[in-house]
Amino acid sequence: EAGVTQSPTHLIKTRGQQATLRCSPISGHTSVYWYQQALGLGLQFLLWYDEGEERNRGNFPPRFSGRQFPNYSSELNVNALELEDSALYLCASSAGLAGYQETQYFGPGTRLLVL
Amino acid sequence: KQEVTQIPAALSVPEGENLVLNCSFTDSAIYNLQWFRQDPGKGLTSLLLIQSSQREQTSGRLNASLDKSSGRSTLYIAASQPGDSATYLCAVKGETGANNLFFGTGTRLTVIP
Repeated sequence: EAGVTQSPTHLIKTRGQQATLRCSPISGHTSVYWYQQALGLGLQFLLWYDEGEERNRGNFPPRFSGRQFPNYSSELNVNALELEDSALYLCASSAGLAGYQETQYFGPGTRLLVL
Repeated sequence: KQEVTQIPAALSVPEGENLVLNCSFTDSAIYNLQWFRQDPGKGLTSLLLIQSSQREQTSGRLNASLDKSSGRSTLYIAASQPGDSATYLCAVKGETGANNLFFGTGTRLTVIP
């Protein structure tokens, strides 16, 4: 069974540009989570999508947004990139609202570098 | 707001030694606690998940305990091996429906052959 996949693995952008990161959950999972792991700050929760809807949002500005598609894959968009957005962005999936106690399974991440 | 702390930040031990990693959290109203392993530049691998009603979970050489009332968890690694070298993260899920995890900053473990 395929795990959570993310693309691209690396992304280099300049300040002010937009970045789009993609995530495909494990088959059968309806929930997708996005986390940011910036150097020295640890893993911070960004967004949670389930059944196509945004269910919860972390303490990040509105220029961090995303969506979930009917096949449960997800996109994270970061607009007006700032240098401090450089980080490893991790996507995770779980069985969703019906499986609250389910483990979250993580993808390998997308490393975003903003120059 | 939930805050998760891990001590020590880094640990270096000789191969074969038993070791304990610590995790503490400020809000005891948790649904579960999870221990992850992260290799450099990689994603997370789930090691153990403890539900709030449980006291411990074991998997091979790993044993995780949970004391919910005191806001503490420990991860015990027996007979450490060089392949155990990684960063270990603990994360808690709150009792409310937010469903996201709150992570500690991790303990970087190095096992010296």
